Amino acid sequence: AAGVIQSPRHLIKEKRETATLKCYPIPRHDTVYWYQQGPGQDPQFLISFYEKMQSDKGSIPDRFSAQQFSDYHSELNMSSLELGDSALYFCASSLALGDTQYFGPGTRLTVL
Amino acid sequence: SQQGEEDPQALSIQEGENATMNCSYKTSINNLQWYRQNSGRGLVHLILIRSNEREKHSGRLRVTLDTSKKSSSLLITASRAADTASYFCATGPTGANSKLTFGKGITLSVRP
Repeated sequence: AAGVIQSPRHLIKEKRETATLKCYPIPRHDTVYWYQQGPGQDPQFLISFYEKMQSDKGSIPDRFSAQQFSDYHSELNMSSLELGDSALYFCASSLALGDTQYFGPGTRLTVL
Repeated sequence: SQQGEEDPQALSIQEGENATMNCSYKTSINNLQWYRQNSGRGLVHLILIRSNEREKHSGRLRVTLDTSKKSSSLLITASRAADTASYFCATGPTGANSKLTFGKGITLSVRP
C-alpha cells in the first residue's frame, strides 16, 4: 500500500540558510500534518492542513511557513535556520480530520 | 504542559514475556493512538481507540482506555526481540482540530 512520502530524507544546512521539506500524502488523504521531533524528544505538532486550508497551528516558529497545494502535497518552508532547528521532521496524513494519522519516514535536518 | 505521560520510561523484558505500558493525559480527547518508533526512524501506527471504546485488540496488542481516569494501557503479549522500540501514546482532542499530542515515549527492550 502507498505510504506518505517525504523528501528529502536527509538535509544539511548552515545557520541562517533556508530549507524546504516536501510531503506527499497517501492517495485520497486530504489532511496533512507536520511534526518536529528533537533528539530524544517526543514529536511536537507544528501545523496541519485540510482541503488546502490551514486547520490548526501548534508551536511553529514565525520563521517557518507551510502550505498545501492543489494536488494535496504540502511543503514546509524554514528560513533563518538555527542550530536548534536540527530535528526529525515528520509529515502525516489522514483520510479525514480526527482519523488515524499515518506518518512518513521523516526528514532529518541538520543545521551546522 | 505535557498531555500524554507514559510510564515506565524504560522497560526491559525477556522474549516471550508480556509488556505493559501506561499513558495518562490531562484534557478531554476524541481518541488515543499508540505508535512505535525504531531508533531515529518513522512513527508506525499501532492502534487507535476512540473515547467511547474501553478496549481494543489487534494481533498481540491490547489497548485499554479509561476516560474517567484519563489513562490508557498498551499490552504486548508474547514479546519478540523485534518489538524493541520506543512506544508513544498520542491523544487526539475533541473539537474541529485533530493535532496529536504525544507523550515522552517508553523505551522497550526485549532480550532474546
